Amino acid sequence: GAVVSQHPSWVICKSGTSVKIECRSLDFQATTMFWYRQFPKQSLMLMATSNEGSKATYEQGVEKDKFLINHASLTLSTLTVTSAHPEDSSFYICSARERGDPRGNTQYFGPGTRLTVL
Amino acid sequence: AQSVTQLDSHVSVSEGTPVLLRCNYSSSYSPSLFWYVQHPNKGLQLLLKYTSAATLVKGINGFEAEFKKSETSFHLTKPSAHMSDAAEYFCVVYVTGTASKLTFGTGTRLQVTL
Repeated sequence: GAVVSQHPSWVICKSGTSVKIECRSLDFQATTMFWYRQFPKQSLMLMATSNEGSKATYEQGVEKDKFLINHASLTLSTLTVTSAHPEDSSFYICSARERGDPRGNTQYFGPGTRLTVL
Repeated sequence: AQSVTQLDSHVSVSEGTPVLLRCNYSSSYSPSLFWYVQHPNKGLQLLLKYTSAATLVKGINGFEAEFKKSETSFHLTKPSAHMSDAAEYFCVVYVTGTASKLTFGTGTRLQVTL
C-alpha cells in the first residue's frame, strides 16, 4: 500500500519550453502533496506544499510563477516548470500525505523525475 | 525549530557485519522521527518511523532504530549488512506545528563491500 507514482521518470527539454510532471497516489487519497528538489549528492529541498483544491504554499526563494503547482484531485498533483533553463535541471521528487493519517506526518515518496534542460 | 544531524556522511561495512547509522535530533516538542532509504536515481522509501509509542522501532529489511530522548538520538541499526543495503539513508524529523514539514538530515551513504 501507499504507493506514489511520478510521470515521466525522466525528461529532456530545450531551454525556454515548459515541462509538466505528474504525481499520483495510486492506492490512497492524499490531502496534501509535497514537491522537493534534490541536487546531486545532496538532501531534499522542499519547494512547495499543495493541498487539494487550494493554492500551493511555496517555500522562501521558490518562484511560484516558474514552478506552477496544481492539486486538482485527491490523487493527483502536477508541477509545471515554465520557461525552463539549464539551472532548472534537477531531480524532482513528490510525496503525499494520506488522508486520515492519525498524526498526519508520514509522507510517501514517488520515484522522482530527472529533468535535464539543454 | 527542529533540526536533525547525521553524524557520518559515509559509512562502509563488510557484508554480514553490523550496520550503525547515527542520527541526532533537536526539537522543542515531541517529535516524530523517520528513516528513509534512497537507492540511486530512485525516490525515498520509508524504512521505519517513531511516533511516541515503543522506543525501539522495527522496520523493513531487518532495520531497526531506538529512540533515546536523553541522548536526543535515533540511530539506525541492522545486525548483518547485505549488498542490497548499499544506498543513501536519510534521518527525518517532523514536529507538529504551523509548519508541519519534514526536516531532512544531510544523508549517510552506506557502502557494503564483500
